[in-house]
Amino acid sequence: IQMTQSPSSLSASVGDRVTIICRASQNISSYLNWYQQTSGKAPKLLIYGASSLQSGVPSRFTGSGSETDFTLTISSLQPGDFATYYCQQTYILPITFGQGTRLEI
Amino acid sequence: QVQLVESGGGVVQPGRALRLSCEASGFNFRAYAMHWVRQAPGKGLEWVAITSFDESKKFYADSVKGRFTISRDNSKSTLFLQVNSLKTDDTAVYYCAQSSGRFQSFSWGQGTLVIVSS
Repeated sequence: IQMTQSPSSLSASVGDRVTIICRASQNISSYLNWYQQTSGKAPKLLIYGASSLQSGVPSRFTGSGSETDFTLTISSLQPGDFATYYCQQTYILPITFGQGTRLEI
Repeated sequence: QVQLVESGGGVVQPGRALRLSCEASGFNFRAYAMHWVRQAPGKGLEWVAITSFDESKKFYADSVKGRFTISRDNSKSTLFLQVNSLKTDDTAVYYCAQSSGRFQSFSWGQGTLVIVSS
C-alpha cells in the first residue's frame, strides 16, 4: 500500500493552524498512525488508529479520517512542533510510511 | 515504560555483514511482535522486517529479502538483525520498534547507524 503525504514541506509561524494530508492507495480502515520526528531523534507516536491521541501528547494535535483519506491538524503551533511528520499504515504487510512532511518556521 | 536500545552499527565495507542488536526492557518482550525500520541520511522511514512474538512468522521488505534475517532471543529480551551482502544503499540509521495495540503503533529505540563504504 502506497502512502502519499501532502504537502512535502510547509512553512508556518508560531500560533498558526496547519493540516497535513495522508492518502492511502487502498482502503486501510483506521489503521493509520502519525509520528513526529525532530532532527537526529527517533520518531515519536502522536496519533494511533487515525484519531486517538497518544498519552502525553498535547491536545492541539488531532487526527481524523478513515479508509483512504486522513489528516493531522496542529492547532496553534508551538516552537517544538517544527519537525517532520510521518503517517504509517499498519493494515497490511509490508508496513509503509508516507514520505514525510517537513514543517518549518 | 518501553525501552529499546540498539547496538552493533558501524562502518563496514560493501559485501560484508553485520549483526545489529536491540535490548528491550520495561515490557513483556516475549509477548510482542518486533520490527526493524531504517532511515537513510536525509530520507524518510523504511520498514524493514517483522518477527512475531514466537518467531513463527517473519516478513521482510522486498529491498532486503534474502540478505537480512530478523531473529529474537526471548530469554534475553533481545532482537537481532543479521545484515549480509551489504550495499551502499543500506547506509542508514536502523531502529528497532515494538508494535502494540489494535492498530500496532510503534515504540522506538534511539537507533544505530550503519555506514556501508569502501
